[in-house]
Amino acid sequence: QSVLTQPPSASGTPGQRVTISCSGSASNIGTNVVNWYQQLPGSAPRLLMYNNNQRPSGVPDRFSGSKSGTSASLAISGLQSEDEADYYCAAWDDRPNGPVFGGGTKLTVL
Amino acid sequence: QVQLVQSGSELKKPGASVKISCKASGYTFSSYAMNWVRQAPGQGLEWMGWINTNTGDPKYAQAFTGRFVFSWDKSLTTAYLEITTLKADDTAVYYCARDPSRLDVWGQGTTVTVSS
Repeated sequence: QSVLTQPPSASGTPGQRVTISCSGSASNIGTNVVNWYQQLPGSAPRLLMYNNNQRPSGVPDRFSGSKSGTSASLAISGLQSEDEADYYCAAWDDRPNGPVFGGGTKLTVL
Repeated sequence: QVQLVQSGSELKKPGASVKISCKASGYTFSSYAMNWVRQAPGQGLEWMGWINTNTGDPKYAQAFTGRFVFSWDKSLTTAYLEITTLKADDTAVYYCARDPSRLDVWGQGTTVTVSS
């Protein structure tokens, strides 16, 4: 049982826009920033978005993030086949005093 | 470039121990705590804790106290995860990742398989 809640799956066709939600509580998303990770099949996770909506160098601007209250979302516009991956949200949680993750969302490009 | 390179896959019997390494390069090792993250087969990511790479002080997530030990060798810019008294459900990929607030750089992962 993950601390943050994500839908287990999402899908879209090439060129579409998809969003992935992440729900938490006051002790994590409500008071701390959200980061997103992309895990391609058979690979290690990589940081995709940090501080709610900041993209690390090399991440296309098709990816965007937002946060409101105790929820956050990741949007991918102009969906491409290479975006097919698992996506995880994470946020610092004041109770374990460390990062907590969502259960992950498997994105399928149809 | 900044990178974390982990040791290779391990196959161990129940009750044995395993020690995984994570070699950092391309940045000042002691400037960022090193985290460990577990991913069981077909499952999500689970933060195990971190080690302060300046002082060696470890912090363990609640589920990872007792059999899990974080250590480091500052001179080798390497962090270690040791798991003792291995059980079948320790079978997983273990990742090291820099900076607990962001987890911005990840190792390639080390697969530990526990099987008799």
